[in-house]
Amino acid sequence: EVQLVESGGGLVQPGGSLRLSCAVSGFTFSNYWMSWVRQSPGKGLEWVANIKQDGTEKYYVDSLMGRFTISRDNTENSLYLQMNSLRAEDTAVYYCARDLGKWEPHQHWGQGTLVTVSS
Amino acid sequence: DIVMTQSPDSLAVSLGERATINCKSSRSVLYSSSSKNYLAWYQQKPGLPPKLLIYWAFTRDSGVPDRFSGSGSGTDFTLTIDSLQAEDVAVYFCQQYYSTPYTFGQGTRLEIK
Repeated sequence: EVQLVESGGGLVQPGGSLRLSCAVSGFTFSNYWMSWVRQSPGKGLEWVANIKQDGTEKYYVDSLMGRFTISRDNTENSLYLQMNSLRAEDTAVYYCARDLGKWEPHQHWGQGTLVTVSS
Repeated sequence: DIVMTQSPDSLAVSLGERATINCKSSRSVLYSSSSKNYLAWYQQKPGLPPKLLIYWAFTRDSGVPDRFSGSGSGTDFTLTIDSLQAEDVAVYFCQQYYSTPYTFGQGTRLEIK
């Protein structure tokens, strides 16, 4: 069974940093593109970033302005999102997702981890 | 960025009837060389992550009931739910994955009338 479990969310002050993790099981992690997608409370969905199987290609939503970094460790079956210079508008549930492929949608999703940016 | 606009924002349909949700993209998401529309539909129930229903505009993901169907091409797409069931109450999102940043519609809330 495909499983994705996010962790690392919590309350952080504006300007602070957090590192989200996504531990996967039930499939060969190194075979798949992976994404992070976020959802602000009561609002819609926003794709954040994705990463190629070997980590050599990464794409981000422009509005992040270089504050977030996606990475992966195929030996640990884990996906990461380093978030710096956090702002109130980054408050959201962050989901990791396994993509069908490059330029393909998100077939499997984790349950999400809540990030709250507030003083 | 490609802007995705769904209509209506909310919809109430009687059990057993048909629900239709529309999605319009600001640019074509049809890739001419493959003749594929880079358009997906997701269902999200309260407290749960989104679930992929349809991709390539009309291909149902594994295990998705055949009462869910997708249609359209280019910039205009439709998700149709035939014979609405109580468990179909959810918010539905379209998404283009033609180009980054991948973008979602604002969502359509489907309720039972």
